[in-house]
Amino acid sequence: QVQLQESGPGLVKPSETLSLTCTVSGGSISSYYWSWIRQPAGKGLEWIGRIYTSGSTNYNPSLKSRVTMSVDTSKNQFSLKLTSVTAADTAVYYCARLNEGLLGAFDIWGQGTTVTVSS
Amino acid sequence: EIVLTQSPATLSLSPGERATLSCRASQSLMNYLAWYQQKPGQAPRLLIYDASNRATGIPARFSGSGSGTDFTLTISSLEPEDFAVYYCQQRSNWPLTFGGGTKVEIK
Repeated sequence: QVQLQESGPGLVKPSETLSLTCTVSGGSISSYYWSWIRQPAGKGLEWIGRIYTSGSTNYNPSLKSRVTMSVDTSKNQFSLKLTSVTAADTAVYYCARLNEGLLGAFDIWGQGTTVTVSS
Repeated sequence: EIVLTQSPATLSLSPGERATLSCRASQSLMNYLAWYQQKPGQAPRLLIYDASNRATGIPARFSGSGSGTDFTLTISSLEPEDFAVYYCQQRSNWPLTFGGGTKVEIK
C-alpha cells in the first residue's frame, strides 16, 4: 500500500525559503503525477503544483513565481521549494498522488505537515 | 481559473438522514470532478472521482452525480463517522481548484 510522508522544517522566517520533501513508500514513484496542496488553518484547500516523474511540472499561477518542484526517483521522493515566504504561507502542507487514471483525483495523501512563517 | 461554489456552507442533520451537497462550477467540467471528506486533524480522503465513481473502499451510501457545471454528492443515510467537511475539486482546467467546502454537522 502506497504511503506518503512529508518532512521539513516546521518554522520558516519571513523572506526565506520553505523546503519540504515527500517520501513515497510501499510503491514506486514512477509513472504518476505528484502534487503539493496546502490548507491554512480553518480554511480550504489550495493546489500548489504537480510534477511528473520525468520532471515536467505545472504550477498554480498564483504561486508560480515562487515555486519550484523537483523529483528524485532514486530516493522515491519529490520536493517543494517556496521562496520569499510571508505569514500568508503559513499552512498545513500536504503531498498527494494525482491519479490521471481517476480523471485527475488525488487518491493518496500524506498526513500533512504544519509550516509556520514567523520570525 | 474555474471557480467551484459549494452549497450550503453548513448542513445540520441527524444520523440516519439524507445529505445532499452541491458543487457548481463557473464553466463546464465534463466529468472531471472529485469529492473528498476531511475530518479534523486529518488529510482529505477521496470519495468520488469522475463525478460518480466511488473510490476504493468507499461505502455505497456515498454517491455522486451531475455533469457539466452542476454536481451533487449524496449521503443516503448519515452514519456518525460521516460528520465532516466535504470538498469538491476539478481537473478540467488549470489550475486545479477546490470548492470552499460544506460542513456536515450533527443537528
